[in-house]
Amino acid sequence: ETGVTQTPRHLVMGMTNKKSLKCEQHLGHNAMYWYKQSAKKPLELMFVYSLEERVENNSVPSRFSPECPNSSHLFLHLHTLQPEDSALYLCASSQDMAGAAGGETQYFGPGTRLLVL
Amino acid sequence: DQQVKQNSPSLSVQEGRISILNCDYTNSMFDYFLWYKKYPAEGPTFLISISSIKDKNEDGRFTVFLNKSAKHLSLHIVPSQPGDSAVYFCAASGSFGNEKLTFGTGTRLTIIP
Repeated sequence: ETGVTQTPRHLVMGMTNKKSLKCEQHLGHNAMYWYKQSAKKPLELMFVYSLEERVENNSVPSRFSPECPNSSHLFLHLHTLQPEDSALYLCASSQDMAGAAGGETQYFGPGTRLLVL
Repeated sequence: DQQVKQNSPSLSVQEGRISILNCDYTNSMFDYFLWYKKYPAEGPTFLISISSIKDKNEDGRFTVFLNKSAKHLSLHIVPSQPGDSAVYFCAASGSFGNEKLTFGTGTRLTIIP
């Protein structure tokens, strides 16, 4: 399998549940990202990992907990979410964290569509 | 406050004609701009980019124009094809090392056969 994969593709959970989203990249990239896309809103960057170290956390509530055990895998652990957290969660990777201007294109996974009831 | 704005949520264009998607930005520190294309049930894929030192970048049927003084960029697709039907996101970043991407809300383009 190539590119960036995400599982599950769809998830329905209650506010008291704990679940995890998984992202795997098969591109040999060193940087990985979590984005959130809510309806009618732009993609919002949540977390950035570079070489398995978290380098950015964009004021994301603690009910979202990322984990990067190695450069190929990225998880987003979810607990006690709210209905307003329902959104499409996208994972992306890039070769390094040089940024777009440094020629670093981000490759996105298909996303996990999350519904919190 | 949205720093990257795509004011048209949707656009319909006849097959073979030109599609023009617009994007405005407010942050004068942005100097690198990208367009991503997204099909349903897939993640966004990179389409074309432009640096602020240029005012035009062309790649096949896709051309991006940048007007820095107006803080405006546009994506032209000509001729438009049915496979171009997708959501198009504009994104921008600065150029100081690991600058994050700031995205617009997207424009849904529908090509009418």
